[in-house]
Amino acid sequence: AQKVTQAQTEISVVEKEDVTLDCVYETRDTTYYLFWYKQPPSGELVFLIRRNSFDEQNEISGRYSWNFQKSTSSFNFTITASQVVDSAVYFCALLSGGSNYKLTFGKGTLLTVNP
Amino acid sequence: DGGITQSPKYLFRKEGQNVTLSCEQNLNHDAMYWYRQDPGQGLRLIYYSQIVNDFQKGDIAEGYSVSREKKESFPLTVTSAQKNPTAFYLCASSIEGGSSGRNQPQHFGDGTRLSIL
Repeated sequence: AQKVTQAQTEISVVEKEDVTLDCVYETRDTTYYLFWYKQPPSGELVFLIRRNSFDEQNEISGRYSWNFQKSTSSFNFTITASQVVDSAVYFCALLSGGSNYKLTFGKGTLLTVNP
Repeated sequence: DGGITQSPKYLFRKEGQNVTLSCEQNLNHDAMYWYRQDPGQGLRLIYYSQIVNDFQKGDIAEGYSVSREKKESFPLTVTSAQKNPTAFYLCASSIEGGSSGRNQPQHFGDGTRLSIL
């Protein structure tokens, strides 16, 4: 069975602080894909990144970076120099071999960035 | 602009009533999905469709029905059999429905918030 755990329910930081959102996943498949989505207050989910199980390279995109570690089944997301506009719910999701297109989502982390 | 349009944004259902949520995409995507989101929860898959005239049940299909008569449209009906329909419903699409498209990111609409009267 597939499972995604986002242990941090809510995080509150002050603008310009760095913040890391944790994501731990479980799957028995060797081929799988991990995603991060952002859900601002308006409600739509915005795709941020996809990573496949064979590519453990970390990725940086502007103030965003992702640390994928298969050894610990983690795919953590760091926002550097956070801004108020980063305030949102962030979801980690897993798509694995036997799931037939079904994304398994974590419960999300509500990030509040205060001015 | 290309995207996914969900309507209405807010919907109220009376006891015993069926209601239909609209989802239209002009991204030329083959696959479409319906998710339900409850407060403090992740998204759960209701139904998905890999191609026109075909759809599959997700994890929580009971009390819901869908159709996929056109590539761009995937309406969701919340039937009276769904005893707890109050939730936020999100529609999504992705490029391909075949095995090569399984890892493609899903793009989401703005959602419909359904409440009971």
